[in-house]
Amino acid sequence: QKEVEQNSGPLSVPEGAIASLNCTYSDRGSQSFFWYRQYSGKSPELIMFIYSNGDKEDGRFTAQLNKASQYVSLLIRDSQPSDSATYLCAVDPMEYGNKLVFGAGTILRVKS
Amino acid sequence: EADIYQTPRYLVIGTGKKITLECSQTMGHDKMYWYQQDPGMELHLIHYSYGVNSTEKGDLSSESTVSRIRTEHFPLTLESARPSHTSQYLCASSEDRAPYEQYFGPGTRLTVT
Repeated sequence: QKEVEQNSGPLSVPEGAIASLNCTYSDRGSQSFFWYRQYSGKSPELIMFIYSNGDKEDGRFTAQLNKASQYVSLLIRDSQPSDSATYLCAVDPMEYGNKLVFGAGTILRVKS
Repeated sequence: EADIYQTPRYLVIGTGKKITLECSQTMGHDKMYWYQQDPGMELHLIHYSYGVNSTEKGDLSSESTVSRIRTEHFPLTLESARPSHTSQYLCASSEDRAPYEQYFGPGTRLTVT
């Protein structure tokens, strides 16, 4: 089992809809969870991180963490075509010495 | 805004040449990382450093080497480039405290002919 699992997609949503991206992780000792956005040919850009159970909101983005079920999700409200990108989930498993383990990413396509 | 720089941004070079990819950060971060990523594929950690004179190999075996003589500088060297080294190389850095979020440079796209 991979440390971090994401559905590769593509996930297609219409403009203005809510996009929901999910990620599961295997190490229960993981403390921090990150969402990065990567446009084609560009480097990953940190969107937000979360380390407490529950929701964390930043503008149109909401990260949700459920440590008991070992999943973290990212909701994008009012999706825009400019949100079309690959979204990477990253986790810091205890056994990795605070290095991050990245998922393979989910491709999001927002159709106008 | 993260201040991490990579040069060159694009490099096309012939087989057998020695190359050095530069990475610098102005944030004073102790931890630095090199990732390799092929188009449409996942990130693979190839090297990391926890501070000056500290370097370790990552999860993906790489023929490259790194050095960390100064906190802000983490160059990656390929002694003899091969077509199999063609890829995007991404440098990142983070503070040495939670939550350890990493900030990425713009990347170097390397093509070995």
